Amino acid sequence: EIVMTQSPATLSVSPGERATLSCRASQSISVNLAWYQQKPGQPPRLLIYGASTRATGIPPRFSGSGSGTVFTLTISSVQSEDFALYYCQQYNNWPPSYTFGQGTKLEVK
Amino acid sequence: QVTLKEFGPLLVKPTETLPLTCTVSGLSHTTARMGVSWIRQPPGKALEWLAHIFSDDEKFYNPSLKSRLTISKDTSDSQVALFMTNLDPEDTATYYCVRIGCDLGSCGWFDSWGQGTLVTVSS
Repeated sequence: EIVMTQSPATLSVSPGERATLSCRASQSISVNLAWYQQKPGQPPRLLIYGASTRATGIPPRFSGSGSGTVFTLTISSVQSEDFALYYCQQYNNWPPSYTFGQGTKLEVK
Repeated sequence: QVTLKEFGPLLVKPTETLPLTCTVSGLSHTTARMGVSWIRQPPGKALEWLAHIFSDDEKFYNPSLKSRLTISKDTSDSQVALFMTNLDPEDTATYYCVRIGCDLGSCGWFDSWGQGTLVTVSS
């Protein structure tokens, strides 16, 4: 099983600041990585797939980068609506065995 | 636009079997590699992928839960079912029905989610 590790567990930033979230895979997954945002009481929302492609309707302040085992989600200027939980997910395997990271909570500083 | 909605019991007793149903509308398969997954999230914990069924009826399961899971769908792809046997209180979670996304021949992210159904396992 490919294990996904996210850091930090909690990230405290002020509105308008840049936020950088990290995700590491236990083995190379090429660019087969997605990022999600989850707010309380809601299902996750897809932000990024293919490590760097924004999903439909996602604002350009969200960007993803990385390949192999190290990935980053960057929010260039955090808005109030961005404070939430963020998960990464790999989809590199065949046969499919998708795994998620443990999440990073983005909170107000 | 695809919509997914989960149905299932609110409360299940330990050792019983959990039946979940997902109704799917607006699903158009542009490739046989599309399909629907079930994902769960225990309260306050991370997401866990459970099972997936492709449009061609090929099925895959989380290896750690494979012996307890069965996924199926109807021929019109409008309903996807998941059965989980021998429930334990640790199976208490919100269960989501989710569509796999595909782009330029690559698939594997989850681009459409149901609202989820919370299932509590307790005697």
